[in-house]
Amino acid sequence: GIQVEQSPPDLILQEGANSTLRCNFSDSVNNLQWFHQNPWGQLINLFYIPSGTKQNGRLSATTVATERYSLLYISSSQTTDSGVYFCAVDGSNYQLIWGAGTKLIIKP
Amino acid sequence: ETGVTQSPTHLIKTRGQQVTLRCSSQSGHNTVSWYQQALGQGPQFIFQYYREEENGRGNFPPRFSGLQFPNYSSELNVNALELDDSALYLCASSLGGIGAYEQYFGPGTRLTVT
Repeated sequence: GIQVEQSPPDLILQEGANSTLRCNFSDSVNNLQWFHQNPWGQLINLFYIPSGTKQNGRLSATTVATERYSLLYISSSQTTDSGVYFCAVDGSNYQLIWGAGTKLIIKP
Repeated sequence: ETGVTQSPTHLIKTRGQQVTLRCSSQSGHNTVSWYQQALGQGPQFIFQYYREEENGRGNFPPRFSGLQFPNYSSELNVNALELDDSALYLCASSLGGIGAYEQYFGPGTRLTVT
């Protein structure tokens, strides 16, 4: 089955810093989503981006489908950006296949 | 537009008992997927429901079962609870029928089995 790898596993930054999170996947996909899971467990949709580039405020994402990776950029980090960032792609059997996540801590 | 809701928020059960978790899909969405997330891990797919039928199932035993109702809401039932069933259970809704379309998640139900 398809494999999803995220890097780095952990990231600690000062408020105001920029960061890049990476998601590699082992096969072609029709669906790629980025999520932010807050400390209370809520998964928040960030981007639905099987290909191309999208931006939403301080966040942007790029997926290069032919090279099987996606990047999530966070600029001018705020403490509320802390949490775990997951990417997920469509696998067999109608499911989303998830990476292990990047745990981001933003220090004030 | 109403988002995905789940109930209850928290639940404590004893090993061997049965539990029912509930999910109301986002307005206009017709497909519901259920996931289990153990502490420190990513979500694991349990199954998906579309038009009141199960379409696709992850690596979970038959004691995990579900229902979808005509209004697209859904239930997850777990029988003969085991300690390892302690986890956050997440429901996601999507529009588009069978498949892993863009999914929107509820706040989850945190189940503790003692």
